[in-house]
Amino acid sequence: GESVGLHLPTLSVQEGDNSIINCAYSNSASDYFIWYKQESGKGPQFIIDIRSNMDKRQGQRVTVLLNKTVKHLSLQIAATQPGDSAVYFCAENIGVGYGKLTFGQGTILTVHP
Amino acid sequence: GAVVSQHPSWVICKSGTSVKIECRSLDFQATTMFWYRQFPKQSLMLMATSNEGSKATYEQGVEKDKFLINHASLTLSTLTVTSAHPEDSSFYICSATGTSGRSGYEQFFGPGTRLTVL
Repeated sequence: GESVGLHLPTLSVQEGDNSIINCAYSNSASDYFIWYKQESGKGPQFIIDIRSNMDKRQGQRVTVLLNKTVKHLSLQIAATQPGDSAVYFCAENIGVGYGKLTFGQGTILTVHP
Repeated sequence: GAVVSQHPSWVICKSGTSVKIECRSLDFQATTMFWYRQFPKQSLMLMATSNEGSKATYEQGVEKDKFLINHASLTLSTLTVTSAHPEDSSFYICSATGTSGRSGYEQFFGPGTRLTVL
């Protein structure tokens, strides 16, 4: 399944499916991007990051793709599990070393057993 | 490593009272701490950035006299919501960067504090 962050803030998938969560970022000067997972009542948890000089980065079951031309970021989760159910936010950083983040809208991912 | 704690985890107060929320970096020195507010079903909105030993920098639209931030040490920042009103009810989250993480980029987030103003 696929979601477009601005128009489809929820994504429901079956356990074992691959999930794709999309994010459109705002500033072409952003040089660092992070995906966070937030479970209900908790703070954001780092998933994976990517710098602007890369277009793909892989982690354990997750892949982040960056398309700077259209200012688009996506998070792919392979073999989605019920424990992946959460809200996913992309965040962009402007300014090397400064650390100030701007968060995207967020997508609610629900994984059905 | 790189653990950030917040206290309290939740608080209920009467309208007009002040509430202090603490943010601590437990195993690293946090040169910069950030405070966010999150309303239900919404994203995190940055309120202010605080550097140890200096005044906080507030985002546009955030009242500095209402949300007092103190970053007196490298492991502690506090947010005081003064004269709280029901519209201040929210989830407040802090994060910290410093001597841990990826070259100063990574922010480590606290677990959040749920404030309810009656």
